[in-house]
Amino acid sequence: NAGVTQTPKFRVLKTGQSMTLLCAQDMNHEYMYWYRQDPGMGLRLIHYSVGEGTTAKGEVPDGYNVSRLKKQNFLLGLESAAPSQTSVYFCASRPTGDWGYTFGSGTRLTVV
Amino acid sequence: AQKVTQAQTEISVVEKEDVTLDCVYETRDTTYYLFWYKQPPSGELVFLIRRNSFDEQNEISGRYSWNFQKSTSSFNFTITASQVVDSAVYFCALSEALGSARQLTFGSGTQLTVLP
Repeated sequence: NAGVTQTPKFRVLKTGQSMTLLCAQDMNHEYMYWYRQDPGMGLRLIHYSVGEGTTAKGEVPDGYNVSRLKKQNFLLGLESAAPSQTSVYFCASRPTGDWGYTFGSGTRLTVV
Repeated sequence: AQKVTQAQTEISVVEKEDVTLDCVYETRDTTYYLFWYKQPPSGELVFLIRRNSFDEQNEISGRYSWNFQKSTSSFNFTITASQVVDSAVYFCALSEALGSARQLTFGSGTQLTVLP
């Protein structure tokens, strides 16, 4: 099925550990986004990409890095996880010139 | 900078009641898009509607209706004859057409509980 796939769906990390969240889309979309969702705060933009090889900071980028080496994949990295990064992470994509965003099903990350 | 405010944190109604979810937005762009998403307890985001800033016609889809008023920068969502399955968190969001990122900016969400 076409869409946005996030891997993994759940993860528990210890403080200080690192991990990478993978977002993959098969719709040839140019734009990709990483959001985090925290209770009472809606979704906030972490980083985004407007095309292969490009990335930029969003509203809450600290503690995260991203890469978009291939157009279909957008990776979100946590180099040294902190409890404050406990959240649900959503990836989204959209094509150029269209405002039809497609969201992944989310990754629930807990940092203990 | 764009901003979306959903002042109602939680709403509780009894089944079959009508309920309106408020959304107020701020933007300096003249071209923008407004959205509503539903997030049921399962956690995924379900797209409900998209509206561009040049189309102020109200829209009705079954029990759902949306009232867009540019004069008050509001894009309110009404559920008529609510059902238990409508229980979810509802997000209003805005995307400015001219920004480089063209990202969605979300409100903080309204938790709707429909009681049987």
